[in-house]
Order: sequence, then structure tokens, then C-alpha cells
Amino acid sequence: AQSVAQPEDQVNVAEGNPLTVKCTYSVSGNPYLFWYVQYPNRGLQFLLKYITGDNLVKGSYGFEAEFNKSQTSFHLKKPSALVSDSALYFCAVRGSSGGYQKVTFGTGTKLQVIP
Amino acid sequence: KAGVTQTPRYLIKTRGQQVTLSCSPISGHRSVSWYQQTPGQGLQFLFEYFSETQRNKGNFPGRFSGRQFSNSRSEMNVSTLELGDSALYLCASSYTSSGSYNEQFFGPGTRLTVL
Repeated sequence: AQSVAQPEDQVNVAEGNPLTVKCTYSVSGNPYLFWYVQYPNRGLQFLLKYITGDNLVKGSYGFEAEFNKSQTSFHLKKPSALVSDSALYFCAVRGSSGGYQKVTFGTGTKLQVIP
Repeated sequence: KAGVTQTPRYLIKTRGQQVTLSCSPISGHRSVSWYQQTPGQGLQFLFEYFSETQRNKGNFPGRFSGRQFSNSRSEMNVSTLELGDSALYLCASSYTSSGSYNEQFFGPGTRLTVL
């Protein structure tokens, strides 16, 4: 069974500092990996995804994520945090090995950017 | 292009009642997935429909059911409501079915409160 772990319930970072939101996964076959963001009282919005190729993926709003196959990780990063980045972030994985694979989400990490 | 719409946005029901939630996907999207979001549990997968067929089902009791119509609109039904069913129910649409690397587009959700 596939799974996603987001080890931190909350991450606090000062505005202007780099941020990292951690994600590790377990899946059969090669993974399709996603990051979504949820602002208060709104649905989830897609940020970026990894399918294959370059391990560093760039997405919306200046976010990027690094795929590390040996560590089965897909950490979300941003060089300089903004107060407006404060939101709930979800990592998700979908396996690519045959059949109909559902998407499994992590439990989410609340990012708080402090002015 | 209009986004994913969900109706109603808010519902208050009492234990034992049943409820039907509706989701209209983005035009051209044939896959609709449903998720239950609760604090601390993240997003729990309910089911996915593609071209009117259920492709995947999560670990929820049979009280939770769904269907998809020929125009890709989807409904989910919860019968004999329990207090623990109180949650935000999210609908997501995607261009292709399970096993693909396409991201999902989420609606704003239906907030269900069971008293």
C-alpha cells in the first residue's frame, strides 16, 4: 500500500528566510509526486509535480521541490518566504505500476510565515 | 474556463439523516474524485469515477456511495449520518483517469455538520 508522511504538523519561518516542508513516500513502482496548497476556507490548489526527469521541479509562486529517490523524499522549498505563503500544504503520491492507482495524500503541514 | 463547483457549500444535518452532495467538474474533465478532509486526518480518499465507472474506492463504510453521470457531474451520498461524518468533503476533477500523472483540480468543498 502506498503512503505519504509529512513529519511536521507545523513549520514556522521568518519572512525572507528559506523554507522547507518535508515529505517522504512509499509506493510500488515509480512515483508521481504532487504538492498542493490550501488557503483558509478554500479548496486545494496544485503547486507542482514530479513525473520523471530532472530531480528539481519548479512550480507556482516561486516554490520548488526536490525528488530524492534513494531517500524516497520530495521536500518542498522556497528561497525566500512571504507572509502570504502561510497556508496548509499537502504532499501526495500516485503509483505508476499498472492498474488504477488512487492518489494518497499526507496529513498536511501548516506553514506559518512570521513577519 | 469555470473551475470545479460543489453544491451546497454548507449543510447541517442530524444523526440518522442522509445527504447528497453534488460536484460539477471542469469542462472536458472525465475523472471525478471525492475526499473527506478532517483536522489531523488530512484528506481521506473516498472514491474516483471515470466515464461513469467507479475506478477506485477508499476504506469507507457502505453508507458512503457515489455515482457519475454522462455529463461527468458526480454526486456522493451518505446515508444514516453519524457525528463522525462531520467534515469538509472535497471534489476533484482531472482530465484523465487513475494511473495518470495529471494533477487534480479541487472544488471549494461542502462543509457538512452532523448534529
